[in-house]
Amino acid sequence: EVQLVQSGAEVKKPGESLKISCKGSGYSFTSYWIGWVRQMPGKGLEWMGIIYPGDSDTRYSPSFQGQVTISADKSISTAYLQWSSLKASDTAMYYCARGRGVFRWYFDLWGRGTLVTVSS
Amino acid sequence: DIQMTQSPSTLSASVGDRVTITCRASQSISSWLAWYQQKPGKAPKLLIYDASSLESGVPSRFSGSGSGTEFTLTISSLQPDDFATYYCQQYNSWTFGQGTKVEIK
Repeated sequence: EVQLVQSGAEVKKPGESLKISCKGSGYSFTSYWIGWVRQMPGKGLEWMGIIYPGDSDTRYSPSFQGQVTISADKSISTAYLQWSSLKASDTAMYYCARGRGVFRWYFDLWGRGTLVTVSS
Repeated sequence: DIQMTQSPSTLSASVGDRVTITCRASQSISSWLAWYQQKPGKAPKLLIYDASSLESGVPSRFSGSGSGTEFTLTISSLQPDDFATYYCQQYNSWTFGQGTKVEIK
């Protein structure tokens, strides 16, 4: 089955670090881009950035550049989204999604999401 | 940044209705537009890409049209499973529309 499986929900304190994961299976993981999308509680979708696991080429939305780090380990078909110092405003659902296209991507396969809660 | 404006924000409709959602871009995006459906507690699902191409497995009652700055998603005959929130996404750069919630009238 073609799928993206995301890591489980996290509860963290402000200032803590976090790395969440997204594992692809059922397709050639190194042949498609993987994007990350944020959805804050009750709000819309925001495109954070995208990585090509084949060579780790990474692009960030200007709104998220410097705020998060996207990485991938192609040996285990897994992409990551990480924060070095969380803020309460990082509380959101985070989706990974497979990007289709050539440097212009829409998302044809989505993970179920990882809920991140940041609270003191 | 290219801004995407969806209208309406909320739409009340009945089963069997023809429903149209509009997405306007602040500048031309050619046909680099996708539409997604999201149900509560679920991940978004791709419906339409390249403005008018139907994703495999998506019912044919969904259709998309437009180019440049104005786009529409049409549901020809609304079904009970279609009550959800719909988002457009321009992929000339990075943005989604703010969403349109389709509610039961």
